[in-house]
Amino acid sequence: DQQVKQNSPSLSVQEGRISILNCDYTNSMFDYFLWYKKYPAEGPTFLISISSIKDKNEDGRFTVFLNKSAKHLSLHIVPSQPGDSAVYFCAASGAYTGTASKLTFGTGTRLQVTL
Amino acid sequence: DTGVSQDPRHKITKRGQNVTFRCDPISEHNRLYWYRQTLGQGPEFLTYFQNEAQLEKSRLLSDRFSAERPKGSFSTLEIQRTEQGDSAMYLCASSSKLNTEAFFGQGTRLTVV
Repeated sequence: DQQVKQNSPSLSVQEGRISILNCDYTNSMFDYFLWYKKYPAEGPTFLISISSIKDKNEDGRFTVFLNKSAKHLSLHIVPSQPGDSAVYFCAASGAYTGTASKLTFGTGTRLQVTL
Repeated sequence: DTGVSQDPRHKITKRGQNVTFRCDPISEHNRLYWYRQTLGQGPEFLTYFQNEAQLEKSRLLSDRFSAERPKGSFSTLEIQRTEQGDSAMYLCASSSKLNTEAFFGQGTRLTVV
């Protein structure tokens, strides 16, 4: 039962253009969402998060949008840079779990930013 | 370096052997998590500590797995009688009471041959 889904296993974007990574979730009790970036042979690195009380959060080149009614979130990277090439994981947590940071991850989207 | 530290980075073991991994969280973080990641999947939750208390265990954590955090600081994850299906990246993460985001270590890659 995949509660967090990233349906695009890979994405290729030209340097300077916008990268849009998508994530869908099924559990309406999730109330906090995060994006992590992962390079090969390293642990995931926290990128940006959003609470369910908001619909947008911005941090530099990274913006996360949350559509609660559609149970959908997206990560926008503008402008994309070659160093952004990595696997991006969407993750969700909820107070209902009793542990604020217990995360349920999607399967990841591999982003490649080409020159 | 004040990040989450895991040791060893890589471990190759024969089927049936026991292995133990160590995690040192960020010093002021009282919450510690273990996750497992296999190829093509996202990390999957295994277990969670708040200080020294193990508060939750996933059904993924079979009886062959045991985790401890004896003094509320570092943690160990032991796998007994390893099986080839245990081959994975084992990730440790920590967070503070005030932050929801967890910070991950670099992981221990286990290969069971």
